[in-house]
Amino acid sequence: QQQVRQSPQSLTVWEGETAILNCSYEDSTFNYFPWYQQFPGEGPALLISISSVSDKKEDGRFTIFFNKREKKLSLHITDSQPGDSATYFCAARNNAGAKLTFGGGTRLTVRP
Amino acid sequence: GPKVLQIPSHQIIDMGQMVTLNCDPVSNHLYFYWYKQILGQQMEFLVNFYNGKVMEKSKLFKDQFSVERPDGSYFTLKIQPTALEDSAVYFCASSLHGLGVNYAEQFFGPGTRLTVL
Repeated sequence: QQQVRQSPQSLTVWEGETAILNCSYEDSTFNYFPWYQQFPGEGPALLISISSVSDKKEDGRFTIFFNKREKKLSLHITDSQPGDSATYFCAARNNAGAKLTFGGGTRLTVRP
Repeated sequence: GPKVLQIPSHQIIDMGQMVTLNCDPVSNHLYFYWYKQILGQQMEFLVNFYNGKVMEKSKLFKDQFSVERPDGSYFTLKIQPTALEDSAVYFCASSLHGLGVNYAEQFFGPGTRLTVL
């Protein structure tokens, strides 16, 4: 059973549009959710993260919305740029340890 | 930002052979991790390592797997013997701390693609 799910698997938007990437989870003990951005040939890099005590986290054009009751979160990328084209992973962790549980990723393509 | 390096980027070996994957973590980090990603699937946690010991491991971390960081140098993942199902990309990561929200960011390397024939 997948503990962290992401949708859609792939997403294409035009430059300047808002891309919305979705993530849901099963384990109610998860309390920290980092989003990673990965370009081809590179490892995942932390983009933005949120803890379960917050319902929103904003960093520039990137915003996480978190709904604890529904166990859902989403990453919004406003004013999308071609350079944002990458695979985005939602991950989750709890206080039991340091391991991250990853979703399957969303491959974002931003067309100029 | 801080860089984690992995050597080699790609390794091809015959089933049954031993392989060692090398990771050069961020210099002041204390916690080290290996994750495995089979093509088309999500990245999965294998093991984390601190102060010379395995702290957590998943069911994917089979008896044929071992990790060490001799003399504070490379953090290594050894698979002996290898099996066909070990073919995957292996990502190394490191973090300054193991728990807590603010200090446990994991920095990932670019991965080593292992192909077992």
